[in-house]
Amino acid sequence: DAKTTQPNSMESNEEEPVHLPCNHSTISGTDYIHWYRQLPSQGPEYVIHGLTSNVNNRMASLAIAEDRKSSTLILHRATLRDAAVYYCILSKTSYDKVIFGPGTSLSVIP
Amino acid sequence: NAGVTQTPKFQVLKTGQSMTLQCAQDMNHEYMSWYRQDPGMGLRLIHYSVGAGITDQGEVPNGYNVSRSTTEDFPLRLLSAAPSQTSVYFCASSPRLGTGTGEQYFGPGTRLTVT
Repeated sequence: DAKTTQPNSMESNEEEPVHLPCNHSTISGTDYIHWYRQLPSQGPEYVIHGLTSNVNNRMASLAIAEDRKSSTLILHRATLRDAAVYYCILSKTSYDKVIFGPGTSLSVIP
Repeated sequence: NAGVTQTPKFQVLKTGQSMTLQCAQDMNHEYMSWYRQDPGMGLRLIHYSVGAGITDQGEVPNGYNVSRSTTEDFPLRLLSAAPSQTSVYFCASSPRLGTGTGEQYFGPGTRLTVT
């Protein structure tokens, strides 16, 4: 199974953009890139996903490198409610095992 | 829609006891899975199912059994509880990619303590 690598932790100032990186150098052509986040004491929630092209939704943007070996989750204006653990995961079109790594713990400073 | 529901929310077991954690979804999702999350750690996949009657092992299946007799329900059975199984358990469901956006919907979790 292809793996992802993320920094253990990051900090951001409130109301500034945040760029959360993810490396997935062994990604295969059938792997979708998914991002989830987990607020304290809650279950994970879906943020965004993509295959090859950059994606935008109301929560965030996903920038995917041309070679697909890395991606970046972009929060355009961090708020205190964005403090969470962010997980970058790969999942295949057939929806086999979906494995979570340790994620990046994002702290937002007022 | 209620989404993904889990019962109970909290449970305390003694070593050696057995119990079943319930998970149900009302979204007609084919894919369901169970994860455990130990304090300060990420999620680890226990078992998953790609449809009724089909289950498979995840990363940490030992000590747990699952079955999927209906699309809606995916119970997780602890056969003989051990203190190492103290954790928060999350159930998730997802439509098959190609039939939806593919994201997983998580339940609120069950906090299990084994003494």
